[in-house]
Amino acid sequence: NAGVTQTPKFRILKIGQSMTLQCTQDMNHNYMYWYRQDPGMGLKLIYYSVGAGITDKGEVPNGYNVSRSTTEDFPLRLELAAPSQTSVYFCASSLEKKAFFGQGTRLTVV
Amino acid sequence: ELKVEQNPLFLSMQEGKNYTIYCNYSTTSDRLYWYRQDPGKSLESLFVLLSNGAVKQEGRLMASLDTKARLSTLHITAAVHDLSATYFCAVDMDSGYALNFGKGTSLLVTP
Repeated sequence: NAGVTQTPKFRILKIGQSMTLQCTQDMNHNYMYWYRQDPGMGLKLIYYSVGAGITDKGEVPNGYNVSRSTTEDFPLRLELAAPSQTSVYFCASSLEKKAFFGQGTRLTVV
Repeated sequence: ELKVEQNPLFLSMQEGKNYTIYCNYSTTSDRLYWYRQDPGKSLESLFVLLSNGAVKQEGRLMASLDTKARLSTLHITAAVHDLSATYFCAVDMDSGYALNFGKGTSLLVTP
């Protein structure tokens, strides 16, 4: 069981560069989420999706974009990376109540 | 604004001792979740509490939910080193089934 798979695991970006964090799940879950985790903090919701073709903003969406063209995939796009986007990013999916998390992407913007 | 507050945020305890982590929240949600995170790892679901008075136990951990007090507790019995981790509680947002997390309780169990 692969569950929720994120790539890459680590990445260093220069200020102003852009990149896409990939997330795919094989559990046929309708709901998918992107969170960021900063040191000493809980997770903050960036974007979420309740199904293919439907996305919505979470608490901290600025500087990010998402798309959901299939049930399985929910990529997160960073445009014009900034140091404030240095964080660990977690993708998650859920059917209803219980969420399953990917292994995380550790991103550093320098 | 929905708030989820955990305390303590840091906890160092000796093996064999008991302790309780508290999670207060401001929403009227009747569902609460506990997750465990090991350093550098992802989040692992521990408990899903779905109603007032719910109690769940697994091994040395027991979680309970009081929706009237908007309080959940995670009780640790006879701690062992393997329980060292960060524990998060979370409640539902109004965004799909997205979660609003507390800041986490970093637990260190020492000999």
